[in-house]
Amino acid sequence: AQSVSQHNHHVILSEAASLELGCNYSYGGTVNLFWYVQYPGQHLQLLLKYFSGDPLVKGIKGFEAEFIKSKFSFNLRKPSVQWSDTAEYFCAVNVNNQGGKLIFGQGTELSVKP
Amino acid sequence: GAVVSQHPSRVICKSGTSVKIECRSLDFQATTMFWYRQFPKQSLMLMATSNEGSKATYEQGVEKDKFLINHASLTLSTLTVTSAHPEDSSFYICSARVRAGVTYNEQFFGPGTRLTVL
Repeated sequence: AQSVSQHNHHVILSEAASLELGCNYSYGGTVNLFWYVQYPGQHLQLLLKYFSGDPLVKGIKGFEAEFIKSKFSFNLRKPSVQWSDTAEYFCAVNVNNQGGKLIFGQGTELSVKP
Repeated sequence: GAVVSQHPSRVICKSGTSVKIECRSLDFQATTMFWYRQFPKQSLMLMATSNEGSKATYEQGVEKDKFLINHASLTLSTLTVTSAHPEDSSFYICSARVRAGVTYNEQFFGPGTRLTVL
């Protein structure tokens, strides 16, 4: 069965620190990849997505992610975090032959200290 | 654009009663809607996939007779938790996939419904 693994359960950073959240998936076929963010008390919002083309994708709020097919990875990065980035981050994979359903990773809680 | 709403946002019910949760795509037509369950501090678990005009497809381990899904139109899907018990207490989230166009295959999420069964 397909699965998505996020390596970090809880990350604590100071403002201006760089961020990298790991995401690996297990599926050998064509996938679409997503990162979602869930701010406290709010609904899931799409940060960025990869369908095809340039494996380095840029999203909102200064986030970017790189798809490395050989490593089955789609890590999320941000050069300098802000206190307002405190949230839960979810990596998700959509397998093309399964009707568009998303498989989510366990989530990573990011806490940014002001 | 691409707004998904859920109603109610929170509901408290007695054990044994049924609760209906609505999911609406407000400004687009959705080919498919998905229902997820999220436990505290955990990820979203897909419960079922709902296509307009057809029966929902349930994930393994999800009781279809307990979690009734109806997808009557391209903008509305409902989840009914029948004979709810305290273990059904959770955060239920729906998402909708756009019918066509450049954002096809992207899902937009509703704000969720917090169900508490006493």
